[in-house]
Amino acid sequence: DVKVTQSSRYLVKRTGEKVFLECVQDMDHENMFWYRQDPGLGLRLIYFSYDVKMKEKGDIPEGYSVSREKKERFSLILESASTNQTSMYLCASSSGRTQYFGPGTRLLVL
Amino acid sequence: AQSVTQLDSQVPVFEEAPVELRCNYSSSVSVYLFWYVQYPNQGLQLLLKYLSGSTLVKGINGFEAEFNKSQTSFHLRKPSVHISDTAEYFCAVGRLNAGGTSYGKLTFGQGTILTVHP
Repeated sequence: DVKVTQSSRYLVKRTGEKVFLECVQDMDHENMFWYRQDPGLGLRLIYFSYDVKMKEKGDIPEGYSVSREKKERFSLILESASTNQTSMYLCASSSGRTQYFGPGTRLLVL
Repeated sequence: AQSVTQLDSQVPVFEEAPVELRCNYSSSVSVYLFWYVQYPNQGLQLLLKYLSGSTLVKGINGFEAEFNKSQTSFHLRKPSVHISDTAEYFCAVGRLNAGGTSYGKLTFGQGTILTVHP
């Protein structure tokens, strides 16, 4: 079974803090993705990576950056957290067309 | 750019009744499609997928979906729902590029909350 893990299920941060969300997959997948999920908006792609050190912007990259130093790990970074980044963050990985998701991190920015 | 529309944001239904969750997409190129399910406070779980071949696809938990290219739809159906099917369901579409490959990027619909009542 594919396993995608995220470092935290729940996170509370203050405005202006730098926030790191970590995602690890154990299936040697080339592609990894970060989404945010908000009620009524579905999932929106923030960034994705198709290889180590390679990344591309998704639909809503503003206020975020990513890092992929190793194939199994994809990190999402909020350089200076703001209240409008309060959301559910989902990581996924794929080796082809099917994406497999982690359990999500619910982030609250105060 | 492609888009996905899930026509109902909420669908209430009684236990053992049939259900259909509707999904339409817009794309002028070849696509592949998924339905995912999300139970409360969990990530997304793959329900079923259409990559190619037979347009009727069967998934887990008794769900099935039919790819209709002419109507650009991929509606999800179950003949008899259970209380445990209460969850949010997401339709997603991916686009094949000119070489027939993809990085696996998907566009998701807004989600449909299915509530099964006893």
